[in-house]
Amino acid sequence: KAGVTQTPRYLIKTRGQQVTLSCSPISGHRSVSWYQQTPGQGLQFLFEYFSETQRNKGNFPGRFSGRQFSNSRSEMNVSTLELGDSALYLCASSLGGISTDTQYFGPGTRLTVL
Amino acid sequence: GEDVEQSLFLSVREGDSSVINCTYTDSSSTYLYWYKQEPGAGLQLLTYIFSNMDMKQDQRLTVLLNKKDKHLSLRIADTQTGDSAIYFCAESGDNQGGKLIFGQGTELSVKP
Repeated sequence: KAGVTQTPRYLIKTRGQQVTLSCSPISGHRSVSWYQQTPGQGLQFLFEYFSETQRNKGNFPGRFSGRQFSNSRSEMNVSTLELGDSALYLCASSLGGISTDTQYFGPGTRLTVL
Repeated sequence: GEDVEQSLFLSVREGDSSVINCTYTDSSSTYLYWYKQEPGAGLQLLTYIFSNMDMKQDQRLTVLLNKKDKHLSLRIADTQTGDSAIYFCAESGDNQGGKLIFGQGTELSVKP
């Protein structure tokens, strides 16, 4: 069974631009969560989608948004990029997204904002 | 609020045992996880323990949970240079859906 895939793997943008990252979950998984990883703040939860609905949200500004499609694939969008948005963005999928489900992570998208 | 704490660095000799410690604050945590991250890679799930268990063993890995002290540890037996990585503990509380709270990660360095 294929794992979680994320595209693109690397991205370079400039301040003020916007970016869209994509995540394809493991087949059969309906929950997708997104995390931001930076050296200073570590791993922080962005949001979680289940059945095309945002079910849980972390403490990030409205510039960070996401969506989930009927095939469970998810995208996250960051508008008006800032230097501090440079990070590794990880997505994770699980079967139903309840606390007893194991989450499996993709390799991440490394975003650099210049 | 929820918080997970880990020591930042651990250095061991090849063949020794490594013990990585973690403390957490959310007493409603249902599962506690250990993930491994190698340079430039995502997170690899190593093992997890349900909150009503005290211990779980999986090949070279042993997880100990002291629920009273909210302390979790990961022991790696016969540590190899390939075990060098950052290890994260994470908790998922009840009703948190897909949200995991991670510690800062412990960088394990294994010297030959």
